[in-house]
Amino acid sequence: EPEVTQTPSHQVTQMGQEVILRCVPISNHLYFYWYRQILGQKVEFLVSFYNNEISEKSEIFDDQFSVERPDGSNFTLKIRSTKLEDSAMYFCASSGQGRREQFFGPGTRLTVL
Amino acid sequence: AQSVTQLGSHVSVSEGALVLLRCNYSSSVPPYLFWYVQYPNQGLQLLLKYTSAATLVKGINGFEAEFKKSETSFHLTKPSAHMSDAAEYFCAVSGEGGGFKTIFGAGTRLFVKA
Repeated sequence: EPEVTQTPSHQVTQMGQEVILRCVPISNHLYFYWYRQILGQKVEFLVSFYNNEISEKSEIFDDQFSVERPDGSNFTLKIRSTKLEDSAMYFCASSGQGRREQFFGPGTRLTVL
Repeated sequence: AQSVTQLGSHVSVSEGALVLLRCNYSSSVPPYLFWYVQYPNQGLQLLLKYTSAATLVKGINGFEAEFKKSETSFHLTKPSAHMSDAAEYFCAVSGEGGGFKTIFGAGTRLFVKA
């Protein structure tokens, strides 16, 4: 069964460094999303992406964040200058034509020191 | 805007007892509703989903949920709890807005006592 994959599973970085989190959505899906979950808290929406542009973003998704689909398979989240409070689990998701059901990846745990 | 309220941040049951996790939603469009389970330091596993077909939805691991439009509820139940059910459970809704994002509840941690 097709699934969303994410790499790396765990990333440790120093405050102020740039990080890129990678996701491979399900191959025929057209809608892509990033969510984050700070430890012990709920899952929060960051951004949705369709047709090579952002379709919606939350207040969390400020100028430090960017997303890109650099090729036909990858979907990336870049954090330009990481802060301690960026430490969280980041989930990628994708959906097909129906859009309303999203398939989540296993997550990348980001630790900012 | 869509929202989800999960009543009870912690629920404790004895092994073999009924599990009931409560979820109420708010949505301006017919919602899609989901229950996810998350074990410590792991990702989200879809338990079940409501997508406007049958109102009683059966999921994995013996869980089921009933969509009640009049009560705007989507409570999760399991007749007999097992120790392995101990985890965090998230109710979620989607369908509103151009981006069709999923909105999650705050989660309910289920404890199962031997």
